[in-house]
Amino acid sequence: DAGITQSPRHKVTETGTPVTLRCHQTENHRYMYWYRQDPGHGLRLIHYSYGVKDTDKGEVSDGYSVSRSKTEDFLLTLESATSSQTSVYFCAIRPGTGGGEAFFGQGTRLTVV
Amino acid sequence: AQSVTQLDSQVPVFEEAPVELRCNYSSSVSVYLFWYVQYPNQGLQLLLKYLSGSTLVESINGFEAEFNKSQTSFHLRKPSVHISDTAEYFCAVISTGGGNKLTFGTGTQLKVEL
Repeated sequence: DAGITQSPRHKVTETGTPVTLRCHQTENHRYMYWYRQDPGHGLRLIHYSYGVKDTDKGEVSDGYSVSRSKTEDFLLTLESATSSQTSVYFCAIRPGTGGGEAFFGQGTRLTVV
Repeated sequence: AQSVTQLDSQVPVFEEAPVELRCNYSSSVSVYLFWYVQYPNQGLQLLLKYLSGSTLVESINGFEAEFNKSQTSFHLRKPSVHISDTAEYFCAVISTGGGNKLTFGTGTQLKVEL
């Protein structure tokens, strides 16, 4: 299995509080992605990174920010959590060479109450 | 912009019957295509991929997919399904022209019944 770890695996938080999810990899892959998975919507890209300090928005980036200060870590922050951000969040990594497939973490189940 | 359409949200099928899960993509440039599988309460696992060369690609557990550029499709097929194939299947695309955004379809839930 690809070395990718998400933390925490489960979190319950209150509306309006900040939340940070962490994705850690040991594969030295160039690309890292954050997705949210919701019934009927599949996986939707939030943000992705193509290198240290290089990030770009996905299709559902509003309300989320990311940071990548080291190759191995990609942080997703919900500045002020809302109930609409209740979801399962997946991190994925992908090597820099063309065509490589993405490897996924086990997911973080976030509930905003 | 690239996108992926999976036309069927659910596909029920009896064990040992054939199945086809449909996937269409849109992109203005060349693409890499993937099928991922997700079992309950797990992450996604790669099932198979098309990068270049032969348009028919196969997985180790009997699935196959065919890249059809003219129809912009990458349908997944299996001639005889098993109960253990019950899972959600996602089609995904990356445009080779840059950006490296990995875009997924909305998924197809395959339910294999006895």
